[in-house]
Amino acid sequence: AQKITQTQPGMFVQEKEAVTLDCTYDTSDPSYGLFWYKQPSSGEMIFLIYQGSYDQQNATEGRYSLNFQKARKSANLVISASQLGDSAMYFCAMRENSGYSTLTFGKGTMLLVSP
Amino acid sequence: SQTIHQWPATLVQPVGSPLSLECTVEGTSNPNLYWYRQAAGRGLQLLFYSVGIGQISSEVPQNLSASRPQDRQFILSSKKLLLSDSGFYLCAWSSGTGDEQYFGPGTRLTVT
Repeated sequence: AQKITQTQPGMFVQEKEAVTLDCTYDTSDPSYGLFWYKQPSSGEMIFLIYQGSYDQQNATEGRYSLNFQKARKSANLVISASQLGDSAMYFCAMRENSGYSTLTFGKGTMLLVSP
Repeated sequence: SQTIHQWPATLVQPVGSPLSLECTVEGTSNPNLYWYRQAAGRGLQLLFYSVGIGQISSEVPQNLSASRPQDRQFILSSKKLLLSDSGFYLCAWSSGTGDEQYFGPGTRLTVT
């Protein structure tokens, strides 16, 4: 079974609107971490936001927030006030406590922001 | 601040030729180091990771090998490239106690 599932291959949003990118995960470890990365067309992977499994509050970093629903095993990324520069691939990833610091990535969601 | 370098940026190699991709990290000591491969239009696949000099763990058995001759240097190699080795190779580092991984700019490898 896939450990990280991103069901949206592509998403479209208009500039200045908010968008939610979905991510569900599967683990039996009580301690784990969830990450979102952005990959623009240049190819580099840019770390956006992190949520620990024991964190009580949803993580936020500027325009990025992570909607963490532990019981549903979901960790959706919310981008507020989309900008043209947000157009990129977005990857959800998980670190399980039993796996050193190795990350398992989802297949990604392509976000296109239109003017 | 920490910086991660990869070279070369792009590489075109014939089938059967050797490969050496290099990754170096600046501004930190004893990092955990990782090699990932990304096939066209797909997610990242972890190939190797290292928690110290000479310590390499392989996630996927394949035509590639990795070495860590120095604390902040990670090398990905192959003796004979296959067509299926084509892809985008990303090196990453994380601190010993931190969680986030920070990625290099990547190497785009095309095997012809």
